[in-house]
Amino acid sequence: GQQLNQSPQSMFIQEGEDVSMNCTSSSIFNTWLWYKQDPGEGPVLLIALYKAGELTSNGRLTAQFGITRKDSFLNISASIPSDVGIYFCAGQGGPNYGQNFVFGPGTRLSVLP
Amino acid sequence: DGGITQSPKYLFRKEGQNVTLSCEQNLNHDAMYWYRQDPGQGLRLIYYSQIVNDFQKGDIAEGYSVSREKKESFPLTVTSAQKNPTAFYLCASRLAGTSYEQYFGPGTRLTVT
Repeated sequence: GQQLNQSPQSMFIQEGEDVSMNCTSSSIFNTWLWYKQDPGEGPVLLIALYKAGELTSNGRLTAQFGITRKDSFLNISASIPSDVGIYFCAGQGGPNYGQNFVFGPGTRLSVLP
Repeated sequence: DGGITQSPKYLFRKEGQNVTLSCEQNLNHDAMYWYRQDPGQGLRLIYYSQIVNDFQKGDIAEGYSVSREKKESFPLTVTSAQKNPTAFYLCASRLAGTSYEQYFGPGTRLTVT
């Protein structure tokens, strides 16, 4: 099945900097989800988006559901060392995928002290 | 304390042996999923179940089998027919209806030699 595209693939930032990453698809989705995964652990749900154009925050994290329904963005403000990990996006619904979820390959974030 | 448990965390098997991975949830979620994660790739869907006694194949079901005899349990069997079984396996669940927030267990790392 199709997977989503995430960029950048990896990024190295200084502690305190803001981070932006995005997720794109050739198909439209009804729901976008963002997860964070630490090494050897299961992904943890950060934010769920249900409506095109929606902007949702969770602490220092802000995510947006793209207006075309084919993309989503995640921003992290004032990064800290515990932000290190892999960030995955997932799309759900739309005409091509029904109830199931499609995942991106992840953006690996490293935070330098 | 609600959540999803997977056991064991690490599993080692010889080639040619079947092995069953456990997944239990006490969130009263209706739908349960099994994913496979390989390095540098997004999660790929193996099987999913929307309701007890019913399950559907995902994108990479060959060499795997599941059962859903109880709402809280969704075990995955990796059979000897699976060509490349070494991977990190993740179980997930979600409440049915309009919620598409999918939650993951901690994962089981299976190594077959």
